[in-house]
Amino acid sequence: QKEVEQDPGPLSVPEGAIVSLNCTYSNSAFQYFMWYRQYSRKGPELLMYTYSSGNKEDGRFTAQVDKSSKYISLFIRDSQPSDSATYLCAMEPFGNEKLTFGTGTRLTIIP
Amino acid sequence: KAGVTQTPRYLIKTRGQQVTLSCSPISGHRSVSWYQQTPGQGLQFLFEYFSETQRNKGNFPGRFSGRQFSNSRSEMNVSTLELGDSALYLCASSFSRDTEAFFGQGTRLTVV
Repeated sequence: QKEVEQDPGPLSVPEGAIVSLNCTYSNSAFQYFMWYRQYSRKGPELLMYTYSSGNKEDGRFTAQVDKSSKYISLFIRDSQPSDSATYLCAMEPFGNEKLTFGTGTRLTIIP
Repeated sequence: KAGVTQTPRYLIKTRGQQVTLSCSPISGHRSVSWYQQTPGQGLQFLFEYFSETQRNKGNFPGRFSGRQFSNSRSEMNVSTLELGDSALYLCASSFSRDTEAFFGQGTRLTVV
């Protein structure tokens, strides 16, 4: 079993819809959680970074962490065609700069 | 503020050759990590350097090595290239070991 599980999709939603992306993990040592967006042939771009359970909001993006369930989510409100990309969850233990990534979810927003 | 810069962007090498990839972190960042991205395995951690010392290493053979210089720039070397080494190699930098990691655009290595 992988340490981080993420549904690879693909996921297609109409423009303006709310998108929900999720990851589960098995390693209790993970303390820092990130979401990256990666466009084709580009490097991952950091969207959200959090280290505590609960919600963190940044514009149209909300990251949610539930450490008791070992479950993290990224919500995208008012989705736009420019949000079409692969979304990667990543996490790392405290004091250990080694990110473990999910496989990524390919998202397409249909105009 | 300039982002993480990786050179070259593309490389084609022959099996058995060796290759060196370069990464210049964001100014002021002291931690540099390297990752390999392939369609089959996704993003996998190679190693991390902080203050010129390797702090962490992933599960890759000894053909993969790296180093970090006093200005925090880092290089990654792969010797005796194999076809399976074809991948996007990504470098990430962070201010310290518990802060956000920012990625470069990557070096796409093709081994033929």
